[in-house]
Amino acid sequence: GENVEQHPSTLSVQEGDSAVIKCTYSDSASNYFPWYKQELGKGPQLIIDIRSNVGEKKDQRIAVTLNKTAKHFSLHITETQPEDSAVYFCAASRGSTLGRLYFGRGTQLTVWP
Amino acid sequence: GAVVSQHPSRVICKSGTSVKIECRSLDFQATTMFWYRQFPKQSLMLMATSNEGSKATYEQGVEKDKFLINHASLTLSTLTVTSAHPEDSSFYICSARHTPTTGQGYNEQFFGPGTRLTVL
Repeated sequence: GENVEQHPSTLSVQEGDSAVIKCTYSDSASNYFPWYKQELGKGPQLIIDIRSNVGEKKDQRIAVTLNKTAKHFSLHITETQPEDSAVYFCAASRGSTLGRLYFGRGTQLTVWP
Repeated sequence: GAVVSQHPSRVICKSGTSVKIECRSLDFQATTMFWYRQFPKQSLMLMATSNEGSKATYEQGVEKDKFLINHASLTLSTLTVTSAHPEDSSFYICSARHTPTTGQGYNEQFFGPGTRLTVL
């Protein structure tokens, strides 16, 4: 099955700085890569996703890049704010074929004011 | 759009009792729902995949007689933890797969807010 590795496990940044979280995957058939933000005691919230036919996608302060050749994808958060503090999970899926998500271990992001 | 609800949000029960958790897709139909379990400071662990009108598919190591799943309609799936014990205490989260009617055929998953189960 798919194996998703996520780094770093913890990340602390100063407010206003950028944060980058990286994930690698093993299954070359994976074609859908969502990112989820989970606040304490809540369910994961989809914040951005990317399909394998796209190399980069941006939504305001959040961007995701995908390198299919190297089988890795990254989440970029610019101008971080304290409310960005949460656990972020990357995931990979075969999309329409199977649908199940394979999650990374998560990254605890702390943004200091 | 794409809202998933769970009920209850928190439940405390005595050992030996059964607990039912509901997962609803509020503004879309979900032929497939997933049930996860999450331990503190850990990632989500898939327990089972629930397809409307058919039996759930359980992941290896998950007891199907312990965790009963019913997906009777396109907007509701239930997870029943039977004869709950303290080791079943955990955060249970469902997700619903949104299959777009047009487009590329990719299936986004939207998660519920989770249910905190505490078994005394």
